[in-house]
Amino acid sequence: EVQLVESGGGLIQPGGSLRLSCVASGFIVSSNYMSWVRQAPGKRPEWVSVINIDYSTYYADSVKGRFTISRDNFENTLYLQMNSLRVEDTAVYYCARGRRGEGSYLWGQGTLVTVSS
Amino acid sequence: DIQLTQSPSFLSASVGDRVTITCRASQGISSYLAWYQQKPGKAPKLLIYAASTLQSGVPSRFSGSGSGTEFTLTISSLQPEDFATYYCQQVDSYPITFGQGTRLEIK
Repeated sequence: EVQLVESGGGLIQPGGSLRLSCVASGFIVSSNYMSWVRQAPGKRPEWVSVINIDYSTYYADSVKGRFTISRDNFENTLYLQMNSLRVEDTAVYYCARGRRGEGSYLWGQGTLVTVSS
Repeated sequence: DIQLTQSPSFLSASVGDRVTITCRASQGISSYLAWYQQKPGKAPKLLIYAASTLQSGVPSRFSGSGSGTEFTLTISSLQPEDFATYYCQQVDSYPITFGQGTRLEIK
């Protein structure tokens, strides 16, 4: 079955770090355009980051310098390393598979990150 | 950053109605626009990409049009499962951005 399964979310204090994982099944992560998108309660989705086939990466200004997207080709897994977390990073984090310039057509179920003291 | 403004933000309609949602971009994005449907507690679902191309498996009652700065999503005959929130997304340039959403509810 073609799917994405995220994990790694949880409750973390401001200033802390978390690493989210997204395991892909049924396709090869390294051959795809993979993104992280988050959504705070009651808010619109917010694009966070993307890693392209050529390993180029892009970030939203709100996370630049704090978050790092990466992939492990052997494990067929996408990651999001999140450092210096802030209360405003609280959201459900989704990983998604897409095509450049066409949006994301396969999404995981999401993992909740709550940043609170 | 490219801003996307959807209208209306809220829409009340009945089964069988034809509805149209508009998305306006703050600058030209050619046809690099996607539309998503989202239901509570679920991930967004891609409906339309490249402004007017129907994603595989999406019913043909959904259609998209537009280019440049103005785009529309039309549902030709609302079905009960279509009541949800709809978002547009520009994929022309980074950072990728979403519209604020249109909540479609049953009248």
